[in-house]
Amino acid sequence: DTAVSQTPKYLVTQMGNDKSIKCEQNLGHDTMYWYKQDSKKFLKIMFSYNNKELIINETVPNRFSPKSPDKAHLNLHINSLELGDSAVYFCASSLNREAAFFGQGTRLTVV
Amino acid sequence: TQLLEQSPQFLSIQEGENLTVYCNSSSVFSSLQWYRQEPGEGPVLLVTVVTGGEVKKLKRLTFQFGDARKDSSLHITAAQPGDTGLYLCAGRPSNDYKLSFGAGTTVTVRA
Repeated sequence: DTAVSQTPKYLVTQMGNDKSIKCEQNLGHDTMYWYKQDSKKFLKIMFSYNNKELIINETVPNRFSPKSPDKAHLNLHINSLELGDSAVYFCASSLNREAAFFGQGTRLTVV
Repeated sequence: TQLLEQSPQFLSIQEGENLTVYCNSSSVFSSLQWYRQEPGEGPVLLVTVVTGGEVKKLKRLTFQFGDARKDSSLHITAAQPGDTGLYLCAGRPSNDYKLSFGAGTTVTVRA
């Protein structure tokens, strides 16, 4: 069974569209994250939720909105997509601020 | 300015050689982690070090946490082509949920 799963794995869309990426973890973890990995492979944290409460909200455009319906799910919605949003987005989870377990990533390409 | 500075950025060596990757910061961490990421996949945890001066071994990989808990190193002995990948250090400053990553070291082991 996949521990942290995110869908879709690939997403190609036009500028101006709205899209969502879904993430689910079956590890019983209490904290979930969204990271953005750019073309230079740098992983930058975007958001983090602990027990469904937003605890980290880095400086990202407000076109990006996370939603956590329950502790096992953290979705990322992006409005009005721009070329610069193209990247790989990773969902991760952890328990009590311990090691993070990552999903396989969603490669977003905006054309 | 990144919280964790990793060096070198790239490392290319011949099979059988040794290598060391460094991770440095001016901040004190409650723990530091090392991950390995392969193309098309998410980062996978290798080890967590929590005690200043701690040394952990994982087969041919040796991880060390600095006495002041501000730095760490990863040493690979007799590297093999299967060790090729992106190595990332990550850490949370004390009492912080934010897991920050270094920029990564791309290791290539040539057969």
